[in-house]
Amino acid sequence: SAVISQKPSRDICQRGTSLTIQCQVDSQVTMMFWYRQQPGQSLTLIATANQGSEATYESGFVIDKFPISRPNLTFSTLTVSNMSPEDSSIYLCSVRSGGTEAFFGQGTRLTVV
Amino acid sequence: DAKTTQPPSMDCAEGRAANLPCNHSTISGNEYVYWYRQIHSQGPQYIIHGLKNNETNEMASLIITEDRKSSTLILPHATLRDTAVYYCIVRPYANFGNEKLTFGTGTRLTIIP
Repeated sequence: SAVISQKPSRDICQRGTSLTIQCQVDSQVTMMFWYRQQPGQSLTLIATANQGSEATYESGFVIDKFPISRPNLTFSTLTVSNMSPEDSSIYLCSVRSGGTEAFFGQGTRLTVV
Repeated sequence: DAKTTQPPSMDCAEGRAANLPCNHSTISGNEYVYWYRQIHSQGPQYIIHGLKNNETNEMASLIITEDRKSSTLILPHATLRDTAVYYCIVRPYANFGNEKLTFGTGTRLTIIP
């Protein structure tokens, strides 16, 4: 199994600003995944982050809006840039460790005002 | 990944078995059926997965039809803490480079006291 810590757990931000979300895992993992869950909706994958290479973004998500860092095998950050109210969502970090199942952090609840 | 279809919501009486259906008629031979659940304000939690044989663990049982076009997740003695959104996901097993999860809309299960 894997234990994932996300920070912050929630935040209220002004539009036009940026927020960086941190994801720390208690074991080394190859891939880390960032998801967005808009209010009342299911989860949508934003990007996959490999250590030592640029993140791979899904259709509809771009690096300028959601830059990702992956400095080592236990840590990643997702930045939500130039925020607007439409970015209000829960952002979740996920990893696969050992077995085939995925583990998720508790999420960061972002409200943009 | 194959698409899944689930009922949007279900109720179950506390103490009874909760049976959650999932249709995955386009599943291919190398794809497994995974179940996750998301309790309110938490990240998704892995429940169980299977290929073609029925599976059981400490949380639930998974029944997959012989043609693999549908499956049922069974929570044998539902408690109030089982109230959550349940996601049925079809994906290849431990296919490096294709580890992302595609979430559908899931089934909102409500356990009634």
